[in-house]
Amino acid sequence: DGGITQSPKYLFRKEGQNVTLSCEQNLNHDAMYWYRQDPGQGLRLIYYSQIVNDFQKGDIAEGYSVSREKKESFPLTVTSAQKNPTAFYLCASSIEGRVYNEQFFGPGTRLTVL
Amino acid sequence: AQRVTQPEKLLSVFKGAPVELKCNYSYSGSPELFWYVQYSRQRLQLLLRHISRESIKGFTADLNKGETSFHLKKPFAQEEDSAMYYCALTPDSWGKFQFGAGTQVVVTP
Repeated sequence: DGGITQSPKYLFRKEGQNVTLSCEQNLNHDAMYWYRQDPGQGLRLIYYSQIVNDFQKGDIAEGYSVSREKKESFPLTVTSAQKNPTAFYLCASSIEGRVYNEQFFGPGTRLTVL
Repeated sequence: AQRVTQPEKLLSVFKGAPVELKCNYSYSGSPELFWYVQYSRQRLQLLLRHISRESIKGFTADLNKGETSFHLKKPFAQEEDSAMYYCALTPDSWGKFQFGAGTQVVVTP
């Protein structure tokens, strides 16, 4: 493995605290994505970024924020406004945000809010 | 809005039997369709994409635009095919993917 790394693997936080999930890639990919994976619901897109300093909301962006200051990095902050933050979070990247390009996924971070 | 439906949450088949995973989609344009797979303790990875017209690990998928389906098939299931399978589509713009809920396949000897 390698290519896309996510840290930490497991994360525990108290309710009301913001938490930032890390996603780094060394594949020189332009586009990066954040998904949330819940049992029985598949993957849902939170945010995506096609180029540095630009990002767009996905289907469930409320309560989340991102930044894309470097091509290699796309951190996700889960804010206290997110009503149900406990989930498995997946980061992905692709060469560029075109229809036919494969998305490569990281190993994921499991966030538990106590 | 685009939508991907995988009606089966769990498929249990015997080794050597055929397996078919159903995927139906709704989208007004001409989407591109994919199958992704997640083996136990591994990352989610691309299995195949419609545009490549490929067969990967014995799996094929046929796009039926009339029925808006992209079912995944394999004539003889193997134990190593046990995994979670996701159907996904992306519209004819750029890669904003919509995933289905997934189908867990269990192949028993």
